[in-house]
Amino acid sequence: QKEVEQNSGPLSVPEGAIASLNCTYSDRGSQSFFWYRQYSGKSPELIMFIYSNGDKEDGRFTAQLNKASQYVSLLIRDSQPSDSATYLCAVNANYGGSQGNLIFGKGTKLSVKP
Amino acid sequence: SQTIHQWPATLVQPVGSPLSLECTVEGTSNPNLYWYRQAAGRGLQLLFYSVGIGQISSEVPQNLSASRPQDRQFILSSKKLLLSDSGFYLCAWSGDNSYEQYFGPGTRLTVT
Repeated sequence: QKEVEQNSGPLSVPEGAIASLNCTYSDRGSQSFFWYRQYSGKSPELIMFIYSNGDKEDGRFTAQLNKASQYVSLLIRDSQPSDSATYLCAVNANYGGSQGNLIFGKGTKLSVKP
Repeated sequence: SQTIHQWPATLVQPVGSPLSLECTVEGTSNPNLYWYRQAAGRGLQLLFYSVGIGQISSEVPQNLSASRPQDRQFILSSKKLLLSDSGFYLCAWSGDNSYEQYFGPGTRLTVT
């Protein structure tokens, strides 16, 4: 069973701080990694994807990938109350004919306190 | 730009009643289409995916079915709903050669 693990939280950070969200995955053959943000009652929104080892930055968001450790993280700099949401980590399935499918973690709930 | 629609937005149905949820995508052709369910306190569960018209793959055996009658239309159905079918149903699409999935607004289903 391919798995994606996330700490469910809640993770609470003060406004302006760096929020660090972590994710581990079981399938060493996975190649594509995604972070989605889901506000309460809404559908998930893709905010970052990363395919290569290292860091990828987009505005206040940085995704970090370490394939050797099977670990992907999302850093949110200068956290704002509007960043309060559940963050879902997703990894492409790497088996059979399902390589386009994603396996999702259960998400980490982030709360940014003013 | 691409847009994905789902309807209805909310639905309350009695146990044993039928179900039909619809998803359409605009602005792209030959998308891969997906149906997910998100139950309260649980993660996203992939139900069905489709790589083309009439091509449906099921990930989880259950009383739900899916159909893709047109390139950009994906339908989720049930003949008889169970209480356990309650949840947030999400349709998503991805490009033909891409793993990035984009979600529709979802349908919140309550089975009573």
